[in-house]
Amino acid sequence: QVQLKETGPGLVQPTQTLSITCTVSGFSLTSYYMQWVRQTPGKGLEWMGFIRSGGSTEYNSEFKSRLSISRDTSKNQVFLKMNSLKTEDTGVYYCARDQGLGAYYFDYWGQGVMVTVSS
Amino acid sequence: DTVLTQSPALAVSPGERVTISCRASESVSTLMHWYQQKPGQQPKLLIYLASNLESGVPARFSGSGSGTDFTLTIDPVEADDTATYYCQQSWNDLTFGSGTKLEIK
Repeated sequence: QVQLKETGPGLVQPTQTLSITCTVSGFSLTSYYMQWVRQTPGKGLEWMGFIRSGGSTEYNSEFKSRLSISRDTSKNQVFLKMNSLKTEDTGVYYCARDQGLGAYYFDYWGQGVMVTVSS
Repeated sequence: DTVLTQSPALAVSPGERVTISCRASESVSTLMHWYQQKPGQQPKLLIYLASNLESGVPARFSGSGSGTDFTLTIDPVEADDTATYYCQQSWNDLTFGSGTKLEIK
């Protein structure tokens, strides 16, 4: 069955870089777009960006300058890296499967990883 | 950005019909989707493309609307439907509403 699971550091210091891995099973990354969404106390649910089945990426302009999404199809993993973290980046980060090739809604989500930005 | 506006909270009794609204700041055609999020859980897709029921979601849930005004209806409501409901548009980038918290009395 389809499963997604995020793993990440939990605590990150301000100005540092966040790295989260999303490991998927039950489907191929070469057949689906993969999305990243976060949920923060200040802004609620926010779309961050996605990686297409072919490997190209698109980012929310709000994060574009400091966000990078990549993948390793051999390991069934998608990666999020965001630099210059601020306390306002504290929240839960989700990876989600796009229902189709650019359907832009999400039929499977990981359980999320809580990230706290604090010194 | 396309802003989605939802009422913050609703309270209904089991067996009643409830409608949850979402208004977009500009037309999004029918590119509107609905999710349910229970405390401590990830969002779950209920309705896609305004009115299509996601596989496995009970037929008590339905969606309607186009343009700027959309509605998620639950009929009849059950105690397990206690959750926050979010709309999401995919017409202009991707944005979410702020959520409607549904309480079952």
